[in-house]
Amino acid sequence: SQQGEEDPQALSIQEGENATMNCSYKTSINNLQWYRQNSGRGLVHLILIRSNEREKHSGRLRVTLDTSKKSSSLLITASRAADTASYFCATDDKYSNYQLIWGAGTKLIIKP
Amino acid sequence: GAGVSQTPSNKVTEKGKYVELRCDPISGHTALYWYRQSLGQGPEFLIYFQGTGAADDSGLPNDRFFAVRPEGSVSTLKIQRTERGDSAVYLCASSLQGVENIQYFGAGTRLSVL
Repeated sequence: SQQGEEDPQALSIQEGENATMNCSYKTSINNLQWYRQNSGRGLVHLILIRSNEREKHSGRLRVTLDTSKKSSSLLITASRAADTASYFCATDDKYSNYQLIWGAGTKLIIKP
Repeated sequence: GAGVSQTPSNKVTEKGKYVELRCDPISGHTALYWYRQSLGQGPEFLIYFQGTGAADDSGLPNDRFFAVRPEGSVSTLKIQRTERGDSAVYLCASSLQGVENIQYFGAGTRLSVL
């Protein structure tokens, strides 16, 4: 079953603008991950944030986590055409060390 | 190889036929996952292997689906008596168990049942 819910479902912005995607989840977690999927390809891990962290950066990516609201956001700054992809959040289950529970994703389109 | 390899990349079959999908994980990764992904959806968990054993097969939709990993490396997902509803992209992922479960995915097999 899907736990995470991303919003928006789709986002279209101009190259150079910032893109923000949100993820909500339902249960207690140890960590939350974001993945990217280019059309017709597998998923690629982007960043992981632990439940005791509130913010994390990696290059042009910024992830926040609010465990009280059970939500996370992914910000991509200075977007590029190559950022066009679907973005998924995945949460582990606090009581399982192997299951990841996935949202339905946000489809991001960067217009040149 | 350097990454997770899945073959074939595309498979077209007729309703009622048997298909096998192969996954070659990253060397040394003990955990292996199979997912199914429909258009516009996230991955749907099918089965998880730790080594050679299926530690959790609760996501397999019915007994037409079966997966093996006999030597703890390559895995094969087998679908009997395929139905049109089985059409989807089948993704395989592997991970180093215990390392925060960061999963590495193959490019998937797109299965089309006509």
